[in-house]
Amino acid sequence: EPEVTQTPSHQVTQMGQEVILRCVPISNHLYFYWYRQILGQKVEFLVSFYNNEISEKSEIFDDQFSVERPDGSNFTLKIRSTKLEDSAMYFCASSEMTLAQAGTQYFGPGTRLTVL
Amino acid sequence: GESVGLHLPTLSVQEGDNSIINCAYSNSASDYFIWYKQESGKGPQFIIDIRSNMDKRQGQRVTVLLNKTVKHLSLQIAATQPGDSAVYFCADLSSGGSYIPTFGRGTSLIVHP
Repeated sequence: EPEVTQTPSHQVTQMGQEVILRCVPISNHLYFYWYRQILGQKVEFLVSFYNNEISEKSEIFDDQFSVERPDGSNFTLKIRSTKLEDSAMYFCASSEMTLAQAGTQYFGPGTRLTVL
Repeated sequence: GESVGLHLPTLSVQEGDNSIINCAYSNSASDYFIWYKQESGKGPQFIIDIRSNMDKRQGQRVTVLLNKTVKHLSLQIAATQPGDSAVYFCADLSSGGSYIPTFGRGTSLIVHP
């Protein structure tokens, strides 16, 4: 069964450093998403992406964050200057259709980001 | 308060029992909800969805009930199995006017063999 993959599974970085979290969505999916989940808290939407553009973004997704689809398979989340409060599990997801069209999202296993 | 919330943080059941997990939402205009299951160390997994034009939807061993009058939905799992042990949370996909999921904190379901 096709699945979303994410690398690395765990990233440790120093405060102020840039990190890039990588995702490989399911190959025929067109819609891509990033979420984060701070330990013990709820999953929070960050951004959605379609046709090489951001479709929606939350208040969390400020200028420190950016997303890119550098090639036909990868979807990345970059945090330019990490802060302690960026420590969380980051989930990538993809869907074949939009959520409004009841497109089922498939989530990756997540990358645990630890900012020291 | 948050727009989507869960009544109980932990639910313990015996294998074979039916489980009911509840969720409340605050936006009366919300019209699309999804239940997710999240196992330890994994990402959320879609279980079942329901739109506001329905009161009930059934899947394999799962049923979602939507009560728009009191803005409440529930997930019922029949004949709960140890493999059902996970955190379950509902998501409101329409509270913000666009289809961006707003998740609840989750209920931890523990199934005892």
